[in-house]
Amino acid sequence: GENVEQHPSTLSVQEGDSAVIKCTYSDSASNYFPWYKQELGKRPQLIIDIRSNVGEKKDQRIAVTLNKTAKHFSLHITETQPEDSAVYFCAAKENFNKFYFGSGTKLNVKP
Amino acid sequence: GAVVSQHPSRVICKSGTSVKIECRSLDFQATTMFWYRQFPKQSLMLMATSNEGSKATYEQGVEKDKFLINHASLTLSTLTVTSAHPEDSSFYICSARDIAGEWNEQFFGPGTRLTVL
Repeated sequence: GENVEQHPSTLSVQEGDSAVIKCTYSDSASNYFPWYKQELGKRPQLIIDIRSNVGEKKDQRIAVTLNKTAKHFSLHITETQPEDSAVYFCAAKENFNKFYFGSGTKLNVKP
Repeated sequence: GAVVSQHPSRVICKSGTSVKIECRSLDFQATTMFWYRQFPKQSLMLMATSNEGSKATYEQGVEKDKFLINHASLTLSTLTVTSAHPEDSSFYICSARDIAGEWNEQFFGPGTRLTVL
């Protein structure tokens, strides 16, 4: 099955700085890559996603890039704010519609 | 957007008892629902895929006789943790895919916090 690795496990940035979280996946058949933000005890919230036929997608301060050849994708958050502090998960969807999640990154944005 | 509910939100039970968790799609139909388990400070681990009208498929290492899944209708899947033990204490989250919606999208329930004493 799919194996998704995520780095770093924790990330601390100053408010206003950028944050980058990286993920790799193993199954070349995976074709959809969502990113989720999860606050403590809550459900994951989709923040951005990208399909395998697209290399980059941007939504205001959030962007995702995908390198299919290298099988890695990244989340970029610019102008970070304290409310961006949460745990972020990447995921990869393989052919049977199953999502496999990365191990998570705890982002702390210091005011 | 599509809404998925779970019930109960929290449950505390004694070791050896069984606990049933419900996952409902409130405003859409879902032929497929997924069950995840999340231990503290860890990722979501896919346990099984629940298929309406047929048997669930389980991920490697997940005991199907311990985690019984029933997907009896297009809006309801249930997960029963049988003979629960303290190591089963976890956050259980379901997700559902809208059969009429975007093929990639999954909608997550709010989760159920299970504590086994």
